[in-house]
Amino acid sequence: DTAVSQTPKYLVTQMGNDKSIKCEQNLGHDTMYWYKQDSKKFLKIMFSYNNKELIINETVPNRFSPKSPDKAHLNLHINSLELGDSAVYFCASSWTSGNEQFFGPGTRLTVL
Amino acid sequence: QKEVEQNSGPLSVPEGAIASLNCTYSDRGSQSFFWYRQYSGKSPELIMFIYSNGDKEDGRFTAQLNKASQYVSLLIRDSQPSDSATYLCAVNPQGAGSYQLTFGKGTKLSVIP
Repeated sequence: DTAVSQTPKYLVTQMGNDKSIKCEQNLGHDTMYWYKQDSKKFLKIMFSYNNKELIINETVPNRFSPKSPDKAHLNLHINSLELGDSAVYFCASSWTSGNEQFFGPGTRLTVL
Repeated sequence: QKEVEQNSGPLSVPEGAIASLNCTYSDRGSQSFFWYRQYSGKSPELIMFIYSNGDKEDGRFTAQLNKASQYVSLLIRDSQPSDSATYLCAVNPQGAGSYQLTFGKGTKLSVIP
């Protein structure tokens, strides 16, 4: 069984479009995250949610909005996509007090 | 700004040798330290974590932490070609919840058969 899953795996779209990436975890964790990994492989946290509350919001443009319908899901919605948004987006989950974050397989977003 | 620095490599070692990966961090109050491995095109996976000064061993892997020098390293003994990957150092900065991690840019390791 997949612990952390993301859909879609690949997403190719035009500048200016709006898109969503979905994430689900079946580990029972209470915290979920979104990371962005750029072309230089730098992994940077964007958001985390704990028990449906946003607890970290780094300097991310407000075109990005996380939505968590329940503690097993954390979706990422992106408005008005820009070329610089092209990257791999990873979802992850963990216990708040845990040592390990489990990562999903990633979504490769390409904005043309 | 809290930073985590790693040599981007690539670091090339022959099969069977010891690979040494290094990481420094800027926040002196950082509490916990992690090493993730990421194969090309795959997601990061945790190899080890360390909280206390000194060494922590797990199989062929040893993590070393020196908080006074703000330095953490990962040693891989008897390196195998399957160890070829990018290794990411991650730090839990002071004041953050236990869940917040700052990652370095990673060191690419190549183990030559």
